[in-house]
Amino acid sequence: DAGVTQSPTHLIKTRGQQVTLRCSPKSGHDTVSWYQQALGQGPQFIFQYYEEEERQRGNFPDRFSGHQFPNYSSELNVNALLLGDSALYLCASSLMGGEETQYFGPGTRLLVL
Amino acid sequence: GQQLNQSPQSMFIQEGEDVSMNCTSSSIFNTWLWYKQDPGEGPVLLIALYKAGELTSNGRLTAQFGITRKDSFLNISASIPSDVGIYFCAGRPHPRVQGAQKLVFGQGTRLTINP
Repeated sequence: DAGVTQSPTHLIKTRGQQVTLRCSPKSGHDTVSWYQQALGQGPQFIFQYYEEEERQRGNFPDRFSGHQFPNYSSELNVNALLLGDSALYLCASSLMGGEETQYFGPGTRLLVL
Repeated sequence: GQQLNQSPQSMFIQEGEDVSMNCTSSSIFNTWLWYKQDPGEGPVLLIALYKAGELTSNGRLTAQFGITRKDSFLNISASIPSDVGIYFCAGRPHPRVQGAQKLVFGQGTRLTINP
């Protein structure tokens, strides 16, 4: 039973570029949440997807967008990258309403130069 | 938005010692969670707490949901080398609080153990 997988593991971009990160949830899970974890900080909630729709959103600008596919996998897109977007981006999957038992992936480390 | 203040930020202890860390908030929470994150990995859930006053153990780990619903603590007894890592508290605010459905994380406690 595969856990949550994310790709790529590492990514280097330059300011102004766009990036797409991918996540496959744990088998049987239908809800995907994305978090940004800056160095030395706890994860910060970006948004959550369920039934291919954004259900909740944290305090992140519209440059951050996402998508969920019929197979429950998800993408996080960030446009017009800023230096401050450098962070570990974590994906977590769960069953809707069961976010307390969400499982995290290993993350994608994004470096913006 | 809601913030969780986690302390201490870091701990340096000897193997075998007990560890205690806590998390506080200015607003009430309905759920408290404790996670551990190892290098290169995502956080892993250790303990979940759902009721004020609840005390829950998971092996050598014990966590409590504070009576005021504004705090929680995690204790680790008889620490061993594999306890090294970063521990995060997280909470789900009371529904009356704006954005209550979002999970809020503390800043983490980095635990280092000297053998």
